Amino acid sequence: EAEVAQSPRYKITEKSQAVAFWCDPISGHATLYWYRQILGQGPELLVQFQDESVVDDSQLPKDRFSAERLKGVDSTLKIQPAELGDSAMYLCASSENRADSDTQYFGPGTRLTVL
Amino acid sequence: DAKTTQPTSMDCAEGRAANLPCNHSTISGNEYVYWYRQIHSQGPQYIIHGLKNNETNEMASLIITEDRKSSTLILPHATLRDTAVYYCIVRVTPYFGNEKLTFGTGTRLTIIP
Repeated sequence: EAEVAQSPRYKITEKSQAVAFWCDPISGHATLYWYRQILGQGPELLVQFQDESVVDDSQLPKDRFSAERLKGVDSTLKIQPAELGDSAMYLCASSENRADSDTQYFGPGTRLTVL
Repeated sequence: DAKTTQPTSMDCAEGRAANLPCNHSTISGNEYVYWYRQIHSQGPQYIIHGLKNNETNEMASLIITEDRKSSTLILPHATLRDTAVYYCIVRVTPYFGNEKLTFGTGTRLTIIP
């Protein structure tokens, strides 16, 4: 069964450093999402791509976060500089761009700890 | 804000049916009810979704009340591997585009041996 791949699974960094997370969606899925999940809470959307275009980044802290999906396939989420409050699970999800099927499938996530 | 209300936690004996309730009293006519679960330290997993008819798949059954203001997810024979946080989410029909999922805090289901 096809899965969403994410790396790394765990990342420890010091505040003010730069970090990057990578996501490879299920093949053929045009829509890609990045969510952030703080411990004890549900995931919250950071950014949504349709192919290579951003369709929703209203909750992305653009002063320090950036996301790209240059060829409309895999994606990278970057934080620079990292802050203590960025410690969380970063989840990637993908879905087909079909009117009758838009179930989101999630990857295993990257757990970020900022010291 | 999440449009659903769920109990914070529930226990269920192994082998019994687990019934997870969800209230969505402000649901609109074009909104589906989706259920996801998240096992500890993993990404959320899709379970099932429905509009107004009851739905069943290999994982679970979804019962939606006639007025669509509430629903129940049923895991027919719970196992220890079903221990997870279960999220009930309402969102517009796929015909309106790929809308984000708005998660609440979910129900923490613990299966007791």
